Amino acid sequence: GAVVSQHPSWVICKSGTSVKIECRSLDFQATTMFWYRQFPKQSLMLMATSNEGSKATYEQGVEKDKFLINHASLTLSTLTVTSAHPEDSSFYICSARGAGGFTDTQYFGPGTRLTVL
Amino acid sequence: QKEVEQNSGPLSVPEGAIASLNCTYSDRGSQSFFWYRQYSGKSPELIMSIYSNGDKEDGRFTAQLNKASQYVSLLIRDSQPSDSATYLCAVANQAGTALIFGKGTTLSVSS
Repeated sequence: GAVVSQHPSWVICKSGTSVKIECRSLDFQATTMFWYRQFPKQSLMLMATSNEGSKATYEQGVEKDKFLINHASLTLSTLTVTSAHPEDSSFYICSARGAGGFTDTQYFGPGTRLTVL
Repeated sequence: QKEVEQNSGPLSVPEGAIASLNCTYSDRGSQSFFWYRQYSGKSPELIMSIYSNGDKEDGRFTAQLNKASQYVSLLIRDSQPSDSATYLCAVANQAGTALIFGKGTTLSVSS
């Protein structure tokens, strides 16, 4: 149980284009989803927290107009990197937290590697 | 600023030995603690969670929690080369709404 998928697993795009990443909880309802970014040899950096049906909460320093997050259902959250630039190249990972039981356990998706040329 | 501290390593142990990974945290109100394993180029996977003082065992893994000392550890018995990875300690904030991650300890198990 507690499986989280991400799509695509990797993407290469040209500078200035937008990229959408999907995060799905496959076997549980995710009341909260988290988006992280990880640069090589660095730890996870939380970008934003999203609750189903409400606006995402962004961490300090993360541009909400650049990283658009939509959590439209209990099983799907999307991250759109708008007008991507080479410095946005990174490993983007989502995690999901369900309802009931120990609700603070986060299960991670496999990640999306973004390369902006 | 709530913090989670880990020794970055690398921690090198021979195959079959016990690997001991340590973590300290600053938020005395934290109630939930997690260990994740991350292989290079992959996303973190949950190994164990622990909520009460003492030890919790799961196969070759034992998590230890001491809330008074704000200390949590992970022991890996009979270490295998496949255990070579970065181990992330994560502590839930007091509200239980987010996890604070340490920077991770890199473990290398030599055969």
